[in-house]
Amino acid sequence: EAGVTQFPSHSVIEKGQTVTLRCDPISGHDNLYWYRRVMGKEIKFLLHFVKESKQDESGMPNNRFLAERTGGTYSTLKVQPAELEDSGVYFCASSLFESGTEAFFGQGTRLTVV
Amino acid sequence: LAKTTQPISMDSYEGQEVNITCSHNNIATNDYITWYQQFPSQGPRFIIQGYKTKVTNEVASLFIPADRKSSTLSLPRVSLSDTAVYYCLVGERDSNYQLIWGAGTKLIIKP
Repeated sequence: EAGVTQFPSHSVIEKGQTVTLRCDPISGHDNLYWYRRVMGKEIKFLLHFVKESKQDESGMPNNRFLAERTGGTYSTLKVQPAELEDSGVYFCASSLFESGTEAFFGQGTRLTVV
Repeated sequence: LAKTTQPISMDSYEGQEVNITCSHNNIATNDYITWYQQFPSQGPRFIIQGYKTKVTNEVASLFIPADRKSSTLSLPRVSLSDTAVYYCLVGERDSNYQLIWGAGTKLIIKP
């Protein structure tokens, strides 16, 4: 069974550019989460989808971040325009349980904004 | 959400049992204790979750004393491949996805 996959694994962009990260959850997992670890800090929750609906987006840092999950399958996280402080590793996870218990994480996308 | 305190790093040798203790003095009545493992360049991987006493699965055991202010993750007979960062998280099971992630414990297994 395929796990959670994220694309790209690495991305280097210039400040002001746009980047779109993609996450493919485990098939059948209605719950999808985005997290990020900015450099030197802890992993922090960004938002939670249940199917195509945003259940909780309390962790989204600002309106430069837009997450979508059209059709309730894969999800995208767009950063526009990117700033230097957006650099870090962005993780996606999915789970059967809405609580997030036993969430399965992807390998992450390392974003570097220069 | 309760905050946790763990050792920054630990090391041990192959074949040994490793115990990582986590302090969570402000744990609430509805909070569960969850442990994740993370290898370099990978996402965290769920290991075990418990509420009280002892929980065991094929990977590890989790010991939780009666006051629940701490918990111990026990890894039996570790191997080099157990070298990773281990995170202890505490929070309500209904909103597990919002758990606060600390710095974790970097475990290094030596041959």
